[in-house]
Amino acid sequence: EAGVAQSPRYKIIEKRQSVAFWCNPISGHATLYWYQQILGQGPKLLIQFQNNGVVDDSQLPKDRFSAERLKGVDSTLKIQPAKLEDSAVYLCASSSPQDSPSSYNEQFFGPGTRLTVL
Amino acid sequence: GQNIDQPTEMTATEGAIVQINCTYQTSGFNGLFWYQQHAGEAPTFLSYNVLDGLEEKGRFSSFLSRSKGYSYLLLKELQMKDSASYLCAPTGGGNKLTFGTGTQLKVEL
Repeated sequence: EAGVAQSPRYKIIEKRQSVAFWCNPISGHATLYWYQQILGQGPKLLIQFQNNGVVDDSQLPKDRFSAERLKGVDSTLKIQPAKLEDSAVYLCASSSPQDSPSSYNEQFFGPGTRLTVL
Repeated sequence: GQNIDQPTEMTATEGAIVQINCTYQTSGFNGLFWYQQHAGEAPTFLSYNVLDGLEEKGRFSSFLSRSKGYSYLLLKELQMKDSASYLCAPTGGGNKLTFGTGTQLKVEL
């Protein structure tokens, strides 16, 4: 089974430029997540999609960040304009809903995109 | 809101046992995940606890006390490859994970 794919793996931009990241989840996974992980911290959820609808975007800085999952499969996260503090690893994860109350929705993570803003 | 507390760093010897503690305060708690993250890599799933008690999986075990807001990850027969960050992540509604800052474990000879 193929894992979560992300591209690019690395990106270096100057502040005020824009950047986009792409994620392709595991086939059949309805739920897709974008996380931001700053060095030395745990991942922070930015946005969660269920199919092509947004479930939670409460921690997404909407003045500069946007994300879409138009066909309910792959997703794009954009930053415009970037700030120095956006330097981080952007992780995409996916999970598949389980029907049994005793089961759990393990999230599978992609390799991440390391963004450096200069 | 969520408040998660775990030690920043721990050091242990190869072959030994180490326990990584995590305390949490959350709203709408469903269960608790532990993830392992090697430097420069994505987090990988280790365990999930929804009921009180100990879940054992090979060299790794995880414990949960819902009433105390407490969990620990127990690693036995430590190997050098176990050097990594260990992330405690309680879950709320909608399978939303909130990660702690992680415990950086260093395994020495």
